[in-house]
Amino acid sequence: EVQLVQSGAEVKKPGESLKISCKGSGYSFSTYWIGWVRQMPGKGLEWMGIIYPGDSDIRYSPSFQGQVTISADKSISTAYLQWSSLKASDTAMYYCARPLLLGGVVFRTEYWGQGTLVTVSP
Amino acid sequence: QSALTQPPSASGSPGQSVTISCTGTSSDIGEYNYVSWYQQHPGKAPKLMIYEVYKRPSGVPDRFSGSKSGNTASLTVSGLQAEDEADYYCSSYGETNNLGLFGGGTKLTVL
Repeated sequence: EVQLVQSGAEVKKPGESLKISCKGSGYSFSTYWIGWVRQMPGKGLEWMGIIYPGDSDIRYSPSFQGQVTISADKSISTAYLQWSSLKASDTAMYYCARPLLLGGVVFRTEYWGQGTLVTVSP
Repeated sequence: QSALTQPPSASGSPGQSVTISCTGTSSDIGEYNYVSWYQQHPGKAPKLMIYEVYKRPSGVPDRFSGSKSGNTASLTVSGLQAEDEADYYCSSYGETNNLGLFGGGTKLTVL
């Protein structure tokens, strides 16, 4: 059974750094893309970026390029999403997900983590 | 503004059918048969309900069906049940964004 298990909720102050994680199991972690989806309070879903753990190929959405860092450690089947300096506007639920790509483009996403709530407040 | 346009809300009584639309362009929905629909209950992760316009993953009731005409895709929920009350998001493969496109979401209320 494919599972994506995310790290727990975080409460941080503006300017602090943060790294959240997503551990995959039940499949060959290195051979599937994995990525992060943001959902701001009361809002819709937005892809932030994806990574191929096998060779660390990373694709960022233009809206998130330079704002976050996506990485993965295939030795422990874990993907990460990292901020160097959080802002209040980063307050959101973050989901990891395993998309399928066709011709380098995401075309469906069957597996999702349970979500990590990040709250950034003074 | 989302790249795919959905109505913000839809509603129906138990047992009725409701259809949610998702409008894109000739570069995404109109060109490719890679439309997906996701159901999201409050506080829960999205769940894939329909992929490739009309296909259902294992375990999704056949009350859920998908279709497409031109640049607009649709999700129909037949025989509405209380548990169908949720937010629904469409998504499409698109030429302009290699991460795919999401709609803004539709809140389905079962009256």
